[in-house]
Amino acid sequence: GAVVSQHPSWVICKSGTSVKIECRSLDFQATTMFWYRQFPKQSLMLMATSNEGSKATYEQGVEKDKFLINHASLTLSTLTVTSAHPEDSSFYICSTPRGIGELFFGEGSRLTVL
Amino acid sequence: GENVEQHPSTLSVQEGDSAVIKCTYSDSASNYFPWYKQELGKRPQLIIDIRSNVGEKKDQRIAVTLNKTAKHFSLHITETQPEDSAVYFCAASIVTSYDKVIFGPGTSLSVIP
Repeated sequence: GAVVSQHPSWVICKSGTSVKIECRSLDFQATTMFWYRQFPKQSLMLMATSNEGSKATYEQGVEKDKFLINHASLTLSTLTVTSAHPEDSSFYICSTPRGIGELFFGEGSRLTVL
Repeated sequence: GENVEQHPSTLSVQEGDSAVIKCTYSDSASNYFPWYKQELGKRPQLIIDIRSNVGEKKDQRIAVTLNKTAKHFSLHITETQPEDSAVYFCAASIVTSYDKVIFGPGTSLSVIP
């Protein structure tokens, strides 16, 4: 069964609005959550790493004020795309390590900004 | 930071033939190398992984080799089937308590019936 549940699976929004994506860990506590972005026919690019109870660590070139990450509990991490623009349209996917090394991915969220 | 390169970017093979995808990494401290398969619009699925204390690992039709000295690792798929068609990503990580995983650019594999 799914280890990480991600919602929504797809969302369409108007330019300038904000969109929140949630990732929930099922039956275990996710201390760390990685957030990736994937453009069509491209690889998964790490955006940020969130750790429960502390501020997220953003990769170089990722605007932390635009991509707000919250990891307030051991079972929930959220990514909010603020003031979304068409260039933010992408596939966003969360993942958490379980054990030593292996990543468990959420189902992914396809964002389309009109 | 870690940088992972992957070749080829696209690969077409006849059903039944073998497919080989090669990756290199830059950080000699990396010690965990997973391979993921991603079908269109879906989440990546781990298909095999290898740790730095092992040179080769096999799981049915899939095998992975690692050369730590040269900092490269390869995925081998034998007796390919149409359902093997997907995008494959290699990745590298330093497994010291949930370190981040860096992905290669991906290889689009097409298996022609």
